[in-house]
Amino acid sequence: KAGVTQTPRYLIKTRGQQVTLSCSPISGHRSVSWYQQTPGQGLQFLFEYFSETQRNKGNFPGRFSGRQFSNSRSEMNVSTLELGDSALYLCASSPGQNEKLFFGSGTQLSVL
Amino acid sequence: DQQVKQNSPSLSVQEGRISILNCDYTNSMFDYFLWYKKYPAEGPTFLISISSIKDKNEDGRFTVFLNKSAKHLSLHIVPSQPGDSAVYFCAAPYNSGYALNFGKGTSLLVTP
Repeated sequence: KAGVTQTPRYLIKTRGQQVTLSCSPISGHRSVSWYQQTPGQGLQFLFEYFSETQRNKGNFPGRFSGRQFSNSRSEMNVSTLELGDSALYLCASSPGQNEKLFFGSGTQLSVL
Repeated sequence: DQQVKQNSPSLSVQEGRISILNCDYTNSMFDYFLWYKKYPAEGPTFLISISSIKDKNEDGRFTVFLNKSAKHLSLHIVPSQPGDSAVYFCAAPYNSGYALNFGKGTSLLVTP
């Protein structure tokens, strides 16, 4: 089975722009969750989708949004980018509740 | 409020010795814990897990211990190898069980 695929691998944007990141989960996984990694803050939970429904959202401003499609692929969007949004954004999929997550390699976003 | 805490940002150990990574949690409802390992610019990979009905789980060189009364778990790596140098994250299921709460991570350096 192919793993979790995230595109693009790297992105450079300027403040005020918006960005869309994409995630394709492992085939058969219906749950996708997103995380932000910054130095010193570890992995912070952004949101989680199951069967196209957002089930949980972390403590991030409304500039961060996401969605999941009927084929379980997911996108996250960040509008009005700020310098502090520079981070590694990771997507994970899961085969079931309380199961381990499988992560993609992430999208490294740099905001200049 | 961070429900999973790793209070040691870094740890340095000599090759062949034991590495002990610690994790504390605040939510007594957590019933499942996981450890992930992460190399730079890659997604985390699952290492080992433990259910709250157990106090120990072993997989090769890796052993996780759980002390429910103290709300504490630890990961032991014996013997440590240079390839173990990575950031280690402790995690517990988020509300729905399809996403994870992560600690901030401990960066392990194993020196020859």
